[in-house]
Amino acid sequence: EIVLTQSPATLSLSPGERATLSCRASQSVSNSYLAWYQHKLGQAPRLLIHAASSRATGIPGRFSGSGSGTDFTLTITRLEPEDFAVYYCQYYGPSPRTFGQGTKVEI
Amino acid sequence: QVQLVESGGGLVKPGGSLRLSCAGSGFTFRNHYMSWIRQAPGKGLEWLGHISATGIVSYYADSVKGRFTISRDNAKSSLFLQMSSLRTDDTAIYFCARDAGNHRTSQHDYWGRGTLVTVSS
Repeated sequence: EIVLTQSPATLSLSPGERATLSCRASQSVSNSYLAWYQHKLGQAPRLLIHAASSRATGIPGRFSGSGSGTDFTLTITRLEPEDFAVYYCQYYGPSPRTFGQGTKVEI
Repeated sequence: QVQLVESGGGLVKPGGSLRLSCAGSGFTFRNHYMSWIRQAPGKGLEWLGHISATGIVSYYADSVKGRFTISRDNAKSSLFLQMSSLRTDDTAIYFCARDAGNHRTSQHDYWGRGTLVTVSS
């Protein structure tokens, strides 16, 4: 099973600042089967990035993903008020799929 | 637009059973793998398993293998999660999610809002 470790656990920033979230895998992620999701309390999680760096449909350009192998990054270039949420990375290759423990981006 | 709506959550005693449903609309349900994911109170997301587009094959996380069963009814665009031998640590919000493609390795591109299951005596 691939274990994903996200850091930091909490990121305290202000609107307009840049957010850099890290996701490290316990072994190499084949074919970049790595996704990022945004989750706000009481809402459905939202897919942001798949295949490590491909933005999902309708996702603003300020969200970008990068990385390969075992190290992946989600960058939000200029935080908007609606971006304060919890972000999860996920390995979605051959089972079992796993999630990181999440990074909370707070004001 | 794509919609997924979970139902069937509630309070159940330890050792009991519960069946969750997920109604899909706005897309061709039979063309997609479908998944169940949960979030325990104060915890992160946990993938539970998924089922192939035809319903012939399903895969599970070790934590629920043998206790939970995923099934689907493509004629009714519905996904199900049969849960048995429930434990207090199964208390969570349960989400259904659409896998983007018709294969084992695709991301979850749409999610429902979830249904709360509470396991308590």
